[in-house]
Amino acid sequence: GAGVSQSPRYKVAKRGQDVALRCDPISGHVSLFWYQQALGQGPEFLTYFQNEAQLDKSGLPSDRFFAERPEGSVSTLKIQRTQQEDSAVYLCASGQGNSNEKLFFGSGTQLSVL
Amino acid sequence: DQQVKQNSPSLSVQEGRISILNCDYTNSMFDYFLWYKKYPAEGPTFLISISSIKDKNEDGRFTVFLNKSAKHLSLHIVPSQPGDSAVYFCAARSSNAGGTSYGKLTFGQGTILTVHP
Repeated sequence: GAGVSQSPRYKVAKRGQDVALRCDPISGHVSLFWYQQALGQGPEFLTYFQNEAQLDKSGLPSDRFFAERPEGSVSTLKIQRTQQEDSAVYLCASGQGNSNEKLFFGSGTQLSVL
Repeated sequence: DQQVKQNSPSLSVQEGRISILNCDYTNSMFDYFLWYKKYPAEGPTFLISISSIKDKNEDGRFTVFLNKSAKHLSLHIVPSQPGDSAVYFCAARSSNAGGTSYGKLTFGQGTILTVHP
């Protein structure tokens, strides 16, 4: 595709449920990032992949959050035992992996935990 | 600890006038700054950036100014158009972000710009 694609667009989960959010980056992009955007706030960094290697996961808020990119393309962000505070928009971004990194963001997955 | 702050939640401007969006930062390690624009139900899109070795960068109607001593940057849009109405995010990064993670950005809270016809 031409841009970064994320699915599902909306996800409603019951507290305690596990969820999986998918990101299809721009073809050929080396870098992939996950950001979390709470209502009324700016995006906050969660984790970063260079190809299939997860080089930085310092932003993941707890061990309930797990991300993978096994073949260096599609990535999945998994949240186990969801809590109400996990409600946010989860944005995926990809880039070419150079010093002039301009991130291209997807439209995000809006997660609501009831 | 909010390292990048956009203190104006919203700004309203008449079409044709100048829009000035402000951003302050506290981390002196930040050396590259970006502005992103976001329409409802879409992801942020890159608008313009500036390196800390410069104090001004211009791209068409958009100009970003950087005042390192004040740890302040601003985005000027002139002339403003109704299609510019969106949320604008200021973002910053450090070259020491870790490895080659040039995309590890710290964002401000955003400013909602409304341009009236």
